[in-house]
Amino acid sequence: DIQMTQSPSSLSASVGDRVTITCRASQGIRNVLGWYQQKSGKAPKRLIYDASSLQSGVPSRFSGSGSGTEFTLTISSLQPEDFATYYCLQLNSYPYTFGQGTKLEIK
Amino acid sequence: QVHLQQWGAGLLKPSETLSLTCAVSGGSFSGNNWNWIRQSPGKGLEWIAEINHSGSTNYNPSLKSRVTMSVDTSKNQFSLKLNSVTAADTAVYYCAGGLGGSSSWGQGTLVTVSS
Repeated sequence: DIQMTQSPSSLSASVGDRVTITCRASQGIRNVLGWYQQKSGKAPKRLIYDASSLQSGVPSRFSGSGSGTEFTLTISSLQPEDFATYYCLQLNSYPYTFGQGTKLEIK
Repeated sequence: QVHLQQWGAGLLKPSETLSLTCAVSGGSFSGNNWNWIRQSPGKGLEWIAEINHSGSTNYNPSLKSRVTMSVDTSKNQFSLKLNSVTAADTAVYYCAGGLGGSSSWGQGTLVTVSS
C-alpha cells in the first residue's frame, strides 16, 4: 500500500494567515492526488484534483502543487469558513489511501 | 450535477452483515467508478472498495475477505456488503463517485455494531 504522510496533524492559525499543509507519498504517485475539506458531520468536499487543479466553485485562495512524492495545499488568506479538517487522497494505485488529516483551528 | 443518496441499517450486532445501497441521479452512471469509504468515530478516512458499471471491482486488501460490492445498472444503484462485522467496523460509511472525476459523495450512514 502507498502510505500518505500528512503534516502537520493540527494547526492553529488566524483569519488572514497563509497556511500550507503537506502530504508525502511513500512512493511516486505522479500527480494523481486530491485534497479534501471536511467539516464536522459532513461528507468530505474536494478542493483540488490532479494535485493542482482547482475544483469548480472552490475559492481561488486554495491552491495545490507537487508531483511524485511531495504535495502541498496552500490557503493564501484564511477565512472563517476554512477552519476544518483537510485530507489528501492518492488515486495512483489500489488501495486508494488518505492522509491522516490536518485539523485547522482558530488561534 | 451528480447526486448520491444512500441508505441501510444503522445498528448491527457482532457477526451480522452490513448492507448499504447508494442511488445515483443526475449524471452518468456508466461514466464513473463508484466507491465506498468509511470513517471511524474521531478517526480518518479509509477507502473500502470500488466498482464500475460493468461490475469490475477493486477491494482494500484489509477488508477484502469480508467485502462484496455490486452494481444494478437498471436502477443506477450500487451496494456494499460487509460480513462478520465487529465493533471495529463501527463508522460512518460514505458512497462516492468519480473520485478522479466529478467527485460526488453521499450524505453518510452511521453504522454502529453493538451487542
